[in-house]
Amino acid sequence: EAGVAQSPRYKIIEKRQSVAFWCNPISGHATLYWYQQILGQGPKLLIQFQNNGVVDDSQLPKDRFSAERLKGVDSTLKIQPAKLEDSAVYLCASSPWGGGGEKLFFGSGTQLSVL
Amino acid sequence: DQQVKQNSPSLSVQEGRISILNCDYTNSMFDYFLWYKKYPAEGPTFLISISSIKDKNEDGRFTVFLNKSAKHLSLHIVPSQPGDSAVYFCAASAQAGTASKLTFGTGTRLQVTL
Repeated sequence: EAGVAQSPRYKIIEKRQSVAFWCNPISGHATLYWYQQILGQGPKLLIQFQNNGVVDDSQLPKDRFSAERLKGVDSTLKIQPAKLEDSAVYLCASSPWGGGGEKLFFGSGTQLSVL
Repeated sequence: DQQVKQNSPSLSVQEGRISILNCDYTNSMFDYFLWYKKYPAEGPTFLISISSIKDKNEDGRFTVFLNKSAKHLSLHIVPSQPGDSAVYFCAASAQAGTASKLTFGTGTRLQVTL
C-alpha cells in the first residue's frame, strides 16, 4: 500500500515570496490533515479536511495560509506572503474516516526555509 | 497553552536496558493517547496507543502505561535496541465527536548506545 506522498521535500524562499506544497493521501482515506512542525516543537494541526470539506481550520493563519482539497483527494497548502517564522516542516497526514482516536499516517514532510 | 507535555527533551540508554519516556497532559477531555516515532527526514510513524478505559497496553517490546488520576502516561521499551534511536512524540485526542484532532507533545529524543 502506497503511503502519503508529499512534494517538494525541501523549499527555500525569501520572505514575502509565495510557496505551495502538495499532498496525495493514502487511497481511500477520507480525512486529510496539514500539520506544521517548528524545530524543537511537536506537530501542530493547521487544517483538517473530511473529503473535500474543512472540519477544523482554527489554527490556520488565514491571512497568509490557504488550503484546498481537490475532489476529496489531493491537497495543496499555500503560503502567501511567507514570513521568517513560517520556517518549519509541513507534514501531511491522512486517516480512513477521521474518527476520534484514529491513528494518522504521515508523509515525509516538506522542509521550508524562509530567508 | 501546552496541553501535552514531554518534559525530557532527550534520553540516553544503553542497548538492552529499559527506556522510559514520560508524558503529562492537562486536558481532562483527552481519552485516547498515542505514541509516534520519528526518524530524521521522515514523517512520524504510529507506534502504540491506549484508550482511557485501560491502564496498560503492550505490543512486543513496547508497553504504554496510563495513570488517569495523575494525567500521566509512559512508554517503556524493553529491551532497547540501537534502531530505537529516534524522537518519540506523545499525542492525545478526545474520542467524542467525529474529528480525531491530535495534540502533540514536544518530543523526547532517545539515543540507544552500544
